[in-house]
Amino acid sequence: AQSVSQHNHHVILSEAASLELGCNYSYGGTVNLFWYVQYPGQHLQLLLKYFSGDPLVKGIKGFEAEFIKSKFSFNLRKPSVQWSDTAEYFCAVNADRGSTLGRLYFGRGTQLTVWP
Amino acid sequence: DTEVTQTPKHLVMGMTNKKSLKCEQHMGHRAMYWYKQKAKKPPELMFVYSYEKLSINESVPSRFSPECPNSSLLNLHLHALQPEDSALYLCASSQELTILPQYFGPGTRLTVT
Repeated sequence: AQSVSQHNHHVILSEAASLELGCNYSYGGTVNLFWYVQYPGQHLQLLLKYFSGDPLVKGIKGFEAEFIKSKFSFNLRKPSVQWSDTAEYFCAVNADRGSTLGRLYFGRGTQLTVWP
Repeated sequence: DTEVTQTPKHLVMGMTNKKSLKCEQHMGHRAMYWYKQKAKKPPELMFVYSYEKLSINESVPSRFSPECPNSSLLNLHLHALQPEDSALYLCASSQELTILPQYFGPGTRLTVT
């Protein structure tokens, strides 16, 4: 089975600080990678996705992520965070073959708190 | 439009009640999903439907019964639930099982008393 690791459980930053949230996965084949965000009291929203091509993907609200295949990583970055970025961030991985078809494997989530 | 709607937003039910959760999407997606999410935890997959047929049941107790009456609708029938079943129930859809991403609805906050 696949596993997804988000090593940072809770990150606290001041506004304008730079952000990097780590995500590593265990599957060795072709994967689809996602970052979802869940603002307080709201539903999961897709932040960005990677299927193939340019390993640096840009998402909404100034977020970007870099896929490094050799490191099995898909880290999320933002150069300058805002108070409104306070939310729970989930990394998710899918491999569209075999028993994993239809399954989206989530990391445990990282709570980001941004102080104004 | 990437909207998935869910009703009701909140539901309180006793352990002997029967209730249903409803999910709807009009994006023409053919894969639909039910997830359960506890506070500060990632969503846990419960069921997957593909082309209105049950594709995955993640060993969910029979007190949860899914139904996909048509390609736009997904129901989750609840009966004789336990207090530990209290959680946020999320519905999601994707174009197909192999065509992602999954788009999530706002969820139903279920409390079992």
